Amino acid sequence: DSGVTQTPKHLITATGQRVTLRCSPRSGDLSVYWYQQSLDQGLQFLIQYYNGEERAKGNILERFSAQQFPDLHSELNLSSLELGDSALYFCASSVFLDEEQFFGPGTRLTVL
Amino acid sequence: GIQVEQSPPDLILQEGANSTLRCNFSDSVNNLQWFHQNPWGQLINLFYIPSGTKQNGRLSATTVATERYSLLYISSSQTTDSGVYFCAVVSGANSKLTFGKGITLSVRP
Repeated sequence: DSGVTQTPKHLITATGQRVTLRCSPRSGDLSVYWYQQSLDQGLQFLIQYYNGEERAKGNILERFSAQQFPDLHSELNLSSLELGDSALYFCASSVFLDEEQFFGPGTRLTVL
Repeated sequence: GIQVEQSPPDLILQEGANSTLRCNFSDSVNNLQWFHQNPWGQLINLFYIPSGTKQNGRLSATTVATERYSLLYISSSQTTDSGVYFCAVVSGANSKLTFGKGITLSVRP
């Protein structure tokens, strides 16, 4: 157990819908990262927050957004879902920047 | 951006055998991590090793940063070692991990 928690574990929804994925980092970690794992794209970085502020963006679609709250938990919002958004979404956390990242168990999203 | 290449892409071992997994990267790195993704999809941290050598039980890793590669050694493999092994690096000003495509390891009893 890495200490990073993610909910829900599984999510099945329909095209066009909106979902919210939640992540709680390890106690004391200030930095939160979101990654997407799909069969065709592999593991890709989406976005990073550090102590409540957006720090870096990767190949995140405009339909996706995220935020980090004062208690340091983070949410990833995915809207206007498409079949191609089906993937495993991971949250990771680290104490500061450029340090070891620890991954949560992931949320498996299936869009039908 | 930085490129991360892992080899071989697939590996089949008999239980008890040893193996070496390789990760090459195209630029200098601030951070390098090895992960094991088990059949349930969990990413398990194996090593945080931007340089040098570390050992943890039957696993060890070496990163030669000046030559831009890292090696993961698995000795006396067990069926529970099966899964996908990822190398991931941080390079440049941001802290994002860039992952290789992974090495799929199957250990047969």
